[in-house]
Amino acid sequence: GENVEQHPSTLSVQEGDSAVIKCTYSDSASNYFPWYKQELGKGPQLIIDIRSNVGEKKDQRIAVTLNKTAKHFSLHITETQPEDSAVYFCAANRGSTLGRLYFGRGTQLTVWP
Amino acid sequence: GAVVSQHPSWVICKSGTSVKIECRSLDFQATTMFWYRQFPKQSLMLMATSNEGSKATYEQGVEKDKFLINHASLTLSTLTVTSAHPEDSSFYICSARRASLEDTQYFGPGTRLTVL
Repeated sequence: GENVEQHPSTLSVQEGDSAVIKCTYSDSASNYFPWYKQELGKGPQLIIDIRSNVGEKKDQRIAVTLNKTAKHFSLHITETQPEDSAVYFCAANRGSTLGRLYFGRGTQLTVWP
Repeated sequence: GAVVSQHPSWVICKSGTSVKIECRSLDFQATTMFWYRQFPKQSLMLMATSNEGSKATYEQGVEKDKFLINHASLTLSTLTVTSAHPEDSSFYICSARRASLEDTQYFGPGTRLTVL
């Protein structure tokens, strides 16, 4: 099956700085890559996603880039704020009719004021 | 749009009892719902995939007789933990996939189960 690796496991940045989280995947058939933000005690919230026919997607302070050749994708958060502090998960979907997501292990992002 | 609810948000029960958790898609129809389990500081572990009107598909190592899943309608799936034991204590989260947008999954807020 698909194997998704996520780095780093923890990331601390100063407010206003940028944060980058990277993921790699193993299955070249994967074609959908969402990112989720999970706050303590809550369910994951979809923050951005990208499909394999696009190399980059941006939504305000959040952007995702995809390199299909290298099989890696990254989440970029600019002008970080303390409320960005959470666990971020990347995931990959092989595009099967079942729609199963394969998740990375998560990155604990802490933004210091 | 794309709101998924879970009920209850937390539950405490005695060992040996059964607990039912509901997952509802509030503003869309979900042909497929997924049930996850999450331990502290770990990633989401898929337990089963639930398709409306058919039997759930369980992941390897998940006991289907212990974790009963019913997906009776396009907006409701239930997970019943039967004869719960302390090791079943965990955070259970469901997600739903819209019929029209097959890839995107929207997650519920989760249910914290504590078995005494």
